[in-house]
Amino acid sequence: DADVTQTPRNRITKTGKRIMLECSQTKGHDRMYWYRQDPGLGLRLIYYSFDVKDINKGEISDGYSVSRQAQAKFSLSLESAIPNQTALYFCATKSGSSGELFFGEGSRLTVL
Amino acid sequence: QQQVKQSPQSLIVQKGGISIINCAYENTAFDYFPWYQQFPGKGPALLIAIRPDVSEKKEGRFTISFNKSAKQFSLHIMDSQPGDSATYFCAASITGNQFYFGTGTSLTVIP
Repeated sequence: DADVTQTPRNRITKTGKRIMLECSQTKGHDRMYWYRQDPGLGLRLIYYSFDVKDINKGEISDGYSVSRQAQAKFSLSLESAIPNQTALYFCATKSGSSGELFFGEGSRLTVL
Repeated sequence: QQQVKQSPQSLIVQKGGISIINCAYENTAFDYFPWYQQFPGKGPALLIAIRPDVSEKKEGRFTISFNKSAKQFSLHIMDSQPGDSATYFCAASITGNQFYFGTGTSLTVIP
């Protein structure tokens, strides 16, 4: 089983719908991140969390919200999806003592 | 505003050649500079990283060159192989908290 698991892996939805992307990890890391990947724009940070009670906005948080339900679970929500939120979304984890980010395999979201 | 600028956007190299990808940054508070490798359908994975107290780090065929005064760093892939074909991202962070990524370089190694 993957250390960082994202669900769903693919999702097609319509404008205005609420969408939740979920991330769970078995690495025991305290820090979790949500990134968005777009061609030519690289990876951009949406939100990050250093523990269950700590949530921080990243570079592009508008239109998104997150919930850290437990140390191992971090979900990303789009309250009212719009077409320019069509992208590949990655969850990542990191321990506080290491510099390495561990990424999930991504969730491809298409908003029609 | 892009915190880390990466070039080129794409790169085609013959097998056995040297692949070079460059990155530049402005924020002198950055203290950790990793490179990530991403294969299609997969998440990025750490390839190699450097801290600004050294000018070069080598791991196998992969080398990071770091120029603190120019605020630039680069990835060199020696003896490039078709299996190295992937997208490469440079990144920078402050105390290992927020990571800022470059826009990525798609490398194709031709057999």
